[in-house]
Amino acid sequence: DGGITQSPKYLFRKEGQNVTLSCEQNLNHDAMYWYRQDPGQGLRLIYYSQIVNDFQKGDIAEGYSVSREKKESFPLTVTSAQKNPTAFYLCASSTPGRVEGYTFGSGTRLTVV
Amino acid sequence: DQQVKQNSPSLSVQEGRISILNCDYTNSMFDYFLWYKKYPAEGPTFLISISSIKDKNEDGRFTVFLNKSAKHLSLHIVPSQPGDSAVYFCEASEDYGQNFVFGPGTRLSVLP
Repeated sequence: DGGITQSPKYLFRKEGQNVTLSCEQNLNHDAMYWYRQDPGQGLRLIYYSQIVNDFQKGDIAEGYSVSREKKESFPLTVTSAQKNPTAFYLCASSTPGRVEGYTFGSGTRLTVV
Repeated sequence: DQQVKQNSPSLSVQEGRISILNCDYTNSMFDYFLWYKKYPAEGPTFLISISSIKDKNEDGRFTVFLNKSAKHLSLHIVPSQPGDSAVYFCEASEDYGQNFVFGPGTRLSVLP
Protein backbone atom coordinates (compact mmCIF):
# COMPACT_ATOMS: atom_id res chain seq x y z
CA ASP A 1 0.00 0.00 0.00
CA GLY A 2 1.21 3.47 -0.81
CA GLY A 3 1.74 5.96 1.95
CA ILE A 4 4.06 8.15 3.94
CA THR A 5 6.26 6.81 6.70
CA GLN A 6 7.61 9.07 9.39
CA SER A 7 10.12 7.84 11.89
CA PRO A 8 10.59 7.75 14.74
CA LYS A 9 7.17 8.24 16.31
CA TYR A 10 8.65 9.71 19.48
CA LEU A 11 11.99 11.43 19.78
CA PHE A 12 13.78 12.96 22.71
CA ARG A 13 16.62 15.40 22.25
CA LYS A 14 18.92 17.16 24.61
CA GLU A 15 19.24 20.87 24.31
CA GLY A 16 21.97 21.89 21.91
CA GLN A 17 21.73 18.77 19.76
CA ASN A 18 20.64 18.54 16.17
CA VAL A 19 18.13 15.83 15.33
CA THR A 20 16.84 14.54 11.98
CA LEU A 21 13.28 13.40 11.38
CA SER A 22 12.74 10.94 8.57
CA CYS A 23 9.99 11.10 5.96
CA GLU A 24 9.63 8.59 3.14
CA GLN A 25 6.80 8.27 0.62
CA ASN A 26 6.05 5.69 -2.06
CA LEU A 27 3.16 7.55 -3.64
CA ASN A 28 5.26 8.95 -6.48
CA HIS A 29 4.26 12.44 -5.35
CA ASP A 30 6.41 15.29 -6.57
CA ALA A 31 5.71 17.66 -3.70
CA MET A 32 6.59 17.10 -0.06
CA TYR A 33 6.07 19.28 2.99
CA TRP A 34 6.94 19.57 6.65
CA TYR A 35 4.47 21.01 9.12
CA ARG A 36 4.65 21.69 12.80
CA GLN A 37 1.66 21.49 15.12
CA ASP A 38 1.46 23.20 18.48
CA PRO A 39 -1.51 23.07 20.86
CA GLY A 40 -4.32 25.42 19.86
CA GLN A 41 -2.73 26.31 16.54
CA GLY A 42 -3.19 25.20 12.99
CA LEU A 43 -0.49 23.38 11.12
CA ARG A 44 2.35 25.71 10.24
CA LEU A 45 4.53 25.16 7.21
CA ILE A 46 8.26 24.74 7.85
CA TYR A 47 9.64 23.78 4.43
CA TYR A 48 8.31 22.40 1.19
CA SER A 49 9.75 20.88 -1.92
CA GLN A 50 8.01 20.76 -5.28
CA ILE A 51 10.73 18.77 -7.02
CA VAL A 52 13.93 16.88 -6.30
CA ASN A 53 16.94 19.03 -5.38
CA ASP A 54 14.76 22.06 -4.78
CA PHE A 55 12.99 23.31 -1.65
CA GLN A 56 11.59 26.53 -0.26
CA LYS A 57 11.15 27.98 3.19
CA GLY A 58 7.73 28.06 4.70
CA ASP A 59 6.41 30.36 7.39
CA ILE A 60 8.61 29.11 10.24
CA ALA A 61 11.82 27.82 8.64
CA GLU A 62 14.26 29.36 11.11
CA GLY A 63 16.17 26.71 13.02
CA TYR A 64 15.30 23.96 10.54
CA SER A 65 16.97 22.52 7.46
CA VAL A 66 15.90 20.00 4.81
CA SER A 67 17.23 18.14 1.82
CA ARG A 68 15.53 16.53 -1.17
CA GLU A 69 18.06 14.30 -2.85
CA LYS A 70 15.49 11.69 -3.78
CA LYS A 71 11.85 11.98 -4.79
CA GLU A 72 10.84 9.57 -2.05
CA SER A 73 12.64 11.21 0.85
CA PHE A 74 12.42 14.61 2.56
CA PRO A 75 14.27 14.56 5.91
CA LEU A 76 13.94 17.46 8.33
CA THR A 77 16.77 18.46 10.65
CA VAL A 78 15.86 20.38 13.77
CA THR A 79 18.96 22.31 14.65
CA SER A 80 20.11 23.70 17.97
CA ALA A 81 19.17 27.13 16.61
CA GLN A 82 15.47 26.27 16.89
CA LYS A 83 14.45 27.96 20.12
CA ASN A 84 11.31 25.99 20.85
CA PRO A 85 11.58 22.63 19.10
CA THR A 86 9.21 20.60 21.27
CA ALA A 87 6.22 19.94 19.00
CA PHE A 88 4.43 17.45 16.82
CA TYR A 89 5.91 17.31 13.32
CA LEU A 90 3.96 16.17 10.29
CA CYS A 91 5.30 15.30 6.88
CA ALA A 92 3.00 15.39 3.87
CA SER A 93 3.10 14.86 0.16
CA SER A 94 0.84 15.78 -2.71
CA THR A 95 0.28 15.73 -6.42
CA PRO A 96 0.54 19.02 -8.27
CA GLY A 97 -2.43 21.25 -7.56
CA ARG A 98 -3.39 19.27 -4.46
CA VAL A 99 -6.92 18.71 -5.66
CA GLU A 100 -7.32 16.01 -3.06
CA GLY A 101 -5.24 17.69 -0.45
CA TYR A 102 -2.27 16.22 1.25
CA THR A 103 -1.41 12.73 2.27
CA PHE A 104 0.06 12.99 5.74
CA GLY A 105 2.36 10.76 7.68
CA SER A 106 1.50 9.75 11.22
CA GLY A 107 3.83 12.33 12.72
CA THR A 108 6.82 12.53 15.02
CA ARG A 109 6.55 13.98 18.50
CA LEU A 110 9.80 15.68 19.42
CA THR A 111 10.53 16.53 23.03
CA VAL A 112 13.57 18.48 24.13
CA VAL A 113 14.79 17.43 27.55
CA ASP B 1 -3.29 37.55 12.60
CA GLN B 2 -5.09 34.28 11.94
CA GLN B 3 -6.28 34.10 8.35
CA VAL B 4 -8.30 30.97 9.02
CA LYS B 5 -10.32 30.61 12.21
CA GLN B 6 -12.25 27.78 13.74
CA ASN B 7 -13.85 29.50 16.68
CA SER B 8 -15.15 26.41 18.42
CA PRO B 9 -12.26 24.46 19.97
CA SER B 10 -14.61 21.61 20.75
CA LEU B 11 -18.08 20.32 19.94
CA SER B 12 -20.16 17.48 21.40
CA VAL B 13 -22.99 15.88 19.47
CA GLN B 14 -25.29 12.94 20.13
CA GLU B 15 -24.92 9.93 17.83
CA GLY B 16 -27.31 10.11 14.91
CA ARG B 17 -27.65 13.90 15.02
CA ILE B 18 -26.02 16.45 12.77
CA SER B 19 -22.53 17.81 13.47
CA ILE B 20 -21.75 21.26 12.08
CA LEU B 21 -18.17 22.46 12.11
CA ASN B 22 -17.45 26.03 11.10
CA CYS B 23 -14.50 27.79 9.55
CA ASP B 24 -14.06 31.51 8.80
CA TYR B 25 -11.38 33.14 6.71
CA THR B 26 -10.26 36.68 6.06
CA ASN B 27 -8.40 36.50 2.75
CA SER B 28 -10.80 36.97 -0.16
CA MET B 29 -8.16 35.51 -2.50
CA PHE B 30 -8.63 32.03 -1.05
CA ASP B 31 -10.29 29.92 -3.70
CA TYR B 32 -9.91 26.33 -2.57
CA PHE B 33 -10.91 24.85 0.77
CA LEU B 34 -10.33 21.46 2.31
CA TRP B 35 -11.34 19.62 5.44
CA TYR B 36 -9.16 17.08 7.21
CA LYS B 37 -9.89 14.69 10.03
CA LYS B 38 -7.24 13.81 12.58
CA TYR B 39 -7.24 11.01 15.14
CA PRO B 40 -4.83 11.13 18.10
CA ALA B 41 -1.24 10.10 17.25
CA GLU B 42 -2.04 10.03 13.52
CA GLY B 43 -1.59 12.49 10.70
CA PRO B 44 -4.62 14.30 9.31
CA THR B 45 -6.49 12.61 6.49
CA PHE B 46 -8.20 14.44 3.68
CA LEU B 47 -11.98 14.43 3.98
CA ILE B 48 -13.64 16.71 1.45
CA SER B 49 -12.87 19.84 -0.56
CA ILE B 50 -14.68 22.66 -2.31
CA SER B 51 -13.58 25.24 -4.82
CA SER B 52 -14.82 28.80 -4.86
CA ILE B 53 -16.86 28.22 -8.00
CA LYS B 54 -19.21 26.01 -5.96
CA ASP B 55 -21.25 26.60 -2.84
CA LYS B 56 -21.81 22.98 -1.88
CA ASN B 57 -20.01 19.67 -2.20
CA GLU B 58 -21.32 16.39 -0.91
CA ASP B 59 -19.64 13.05 -0.24
CA GLY B 60 -21.72 10.51 1.59
CA ARG B 61 -22.44 11.71 5.10
CA PHE B 62 -20.18 14.75 4.65
CA THR B 63 -21.26 18.01 3.03
CA VAL B 64 -19.24 21.20 2.85
CA PHE B 65 -20.97 24.54 2.29
CA LEU B 66 -19.18 27.68 1.17
CA ASN B 67 -20.53 31.20 1.62
CA LYS B 68 -18.04 33.42 -0.19
CA SER B 69 -19.69 36.70 0.72
CA ALA B 70 -19.48 35.82 4.40
CA LYS B 71 -16.06 34.16 4.00
CA HIS B 72 -17.43 31.18 5.83
CA LEU B 73 -17.47 27.47 5.23
CA SER B 74 -19.03 24.70 7.22
CA LEU B 75 -18.78 20.93 7.33
CA HIS B 76 -21.97 18.98 8.03
CA ILE B 77 -21.84 15.37 9.13
CA VAL B 78 -25.18 13.57 8.99
CA PRO B 79 -25.77 11.28 10.79
CA SER B 80 -22.90 11.60 13.23
CA GLN B 81 -21.26 8.39 14.37
CA PRO B 82 -18.91 7.70 17.32
CA GLY B 83 -16.11 6.98 14.82
CA ASP B 84 -16.36 10.58 13.66
CA SER B 85 -14.89 11.71 16.97
CA ALA B 86 -11.67 13.43 15.96
CA VAL B 87 -10.13 16.83 15.40
CA TYR B 88 -11.25 18.52 12.20
CA PHE B 89 -9.05 21.07 10.45
CA CYS B 90 -10.08 23.35 7.63
CA GLU B 91 -7.51 24.58 5.13
CA ALA B 92 -7.76 27.49 2.72
CA SER B 93 -5.51 28.18 -0.22
CA GLU B 94 -5.01 30.58 -3.11
CA ASP B 95 -4.50 29.59 -6.72
CA TYR B 96 -5.70 26.07 -5.98
CA GLY B 97 -2.82 25.13 -3.76
CA GLN B 98 -0.63 28.13 -3.15
CA ASN B 99 -0.48 30.12 0.07
CA PHE B 100 -2.20 27.47 2.12
CA VAL B 101 -3.30 28.17 5.69
CA PHE B 102 -4.78 25.80 8.24
CA GLY B 103 -7.28 26.59 10.96
CA PRO B 104 -6.51 25.55 14.54
CA GLY B 105 -8.95 22.65 14.51
CA THR B 106 -12.19 21.69 16.26
CA ARG B 107 -12.39 18.59 18.42
CA LEU B 108 -15.65 16.74 17.72
CA SER B 109 -16.97 14.23 20.21
CA VAL B 110 -19.89 12.08 19.13
CA LEU B 111 -21.58 10.60 22.15
CA PRO B 112 -23.29 7.19 21.91
